[in-house]
Amino acid sequence: DTAVSQTPKYLVTQMGNDKSIKCEQNLGHDTMYWYKQDSKKFLKIMFSYNNKELIINETVPNRFSPKSPDKAHLNLHINSLELGDSAVYFCASSHLAGGPVTQYFGPGTRLLVL
Amino acid sequence: GQQLNQSPQSMFIQEGEDVSMNCTSSSIFNTWLWYKQEPGEGPVLLIALYKAGELTSNGRLTAQFGITRKDSFLNISASIPSDVGIYFCAVMIKAAGNKLTFGGGTRVLVKP
Repeated sequence: DTAVSQTPKYLVTQMGNDKSIKCEQNLGHDTMYWYKQDSKKFLKIMFSYNNKELIINETVPNRFSPKSPDKAHLNLHINSLELGDSAVYFCASSHLAGGPVTQYFGPGTRLLVL
Repeated sequence: GQQLNQSPQSMFIQEGEDVSMNCTSSSIFNTWLWYKQEPGEGPVLLIALYKAGELTSNGRLTAQFGITRKDSFLNISASIPSDVGIYFCAVMIKAAGNKLTFGGGTRVLVKP
């Protein structure tokens, strides 16, 4: 029944490591997004993919690299993790056009960099 | 860049009270949204507004899209304890791939 799922839910790692977060949606949407929520709960978009093509790329360090193997999956790989990368990362999905464009969010991945 | 100013930043509710929060922008937007986030969860859409002046309800929630297209408010009537959470306003830019820009959130807490 899960619509948008993310793994892992919690991720604790050391500075300098490389880690990946995975996202999957079973809603048949063609567009997926990554958002970052900081410690003050401010939510900001990072990336968006439509049918495996990058359509939104906000000012994000190039240590962050999204990858979409198919339109149901959007993964986020982070190289050389820094303390400031600690945040909650939310995946979302929606249709891009032609109907309701409501974005459905996953439960989040809580990343803590030590 | 675009900025949404959401107020109040936090509020305490007492069961049965009506509460209100609002969101303003210096720019015009054609789609305004209200989300709620509960602890440990992702944001969930409450109400979407697509037309200036539109007033839309979802149960005890009512939201309005300002006539200037630069603001929106959300009312919660007869609040109950499960209304606690963080409420976010957001605007969507369809021409930018449905990019959502969020306000800073209103934290709704229960009065001790």
